[in-house]
Amino acid sequence: DAKTTQPTSMDCAEGRAANLPCNHSTISGNEYVYWYRQIHSQGPQYIIHGLKNNETNEMASLIITEDRKSSTLILPHATLRDTAVYYCIGDISNFGNEKLTFGTGTRLTIIP
Amino acid sequence: KAGVTQTPRYLIKTRGQQVTLSCSPISGHRSVSWYQQTPGQGLQFLFEYFSETQRNKGNFPGRFSGRQFSNSRSEMNVSTLELGDSALYLCASSTQGVSAFFGQGTRLTVV
Repeated sequence: DAKTTQPTSMDCAEGRAANLPCNHSTISGNEYVYWYRQIHSQGPQYIIHGLKNNETNEMASLIITEDRKSSTLILPHATLRDTAVYYCIGDISNFGNEKLTFGTGTRLTIIP
Repeated sequence: KAGVTQTPRYLIKTRGQQVTLSCSPISGHRSVSWYQQTPGQGLQFLFEYFSETQRNKGNFPGRFSGRQFSNSRSEMNVSTLELGDSALYLCASSTQGVSAFFGQGTRLTVV
């Protein structure tokens, strides 16, 4: 699994877009980029994943650079409930994440 | 649709004892994975079961074991508990075409 690097913490004002970066320069061609988040005292929650193309769902957008060495998770209109630790993970499974390697993640704090 | 259910939610055990944690996956999910989360080591993969067989294993000592039943429910066992085993133990279920769904976890405290 690819090693990922994320900033330790970030703040974002409520209502603004939160942009969370992730470096994954060692990602292999068949590894997807996954994002999960963990709200305090809960289990991690799947957000989005992608391989090469940008992806969008009801929760977020994922922008992957053309060389696939980095990506950005975008929460378009952050709310206080988005305060959580966000994990960027490389995994070869296109869903069916049986074995995830979590790094230290980014602690995102949404400021009122 | 019910989510992943872990029992118990909280547990206090004494050093040297053993403990069994339970996980009921989402209906239809045949893969169950276990993770340990501690402040020092973060979220670490323990093992994964699929159709009653251990398919993947993390780097944990043999005191940590698990099993899966024919209805996909899974248990993990930790024997000869150490203080360092105090952690949040998370279970996740998944199936082909679906991302991993995590339970709320069992918080184990070893005293």
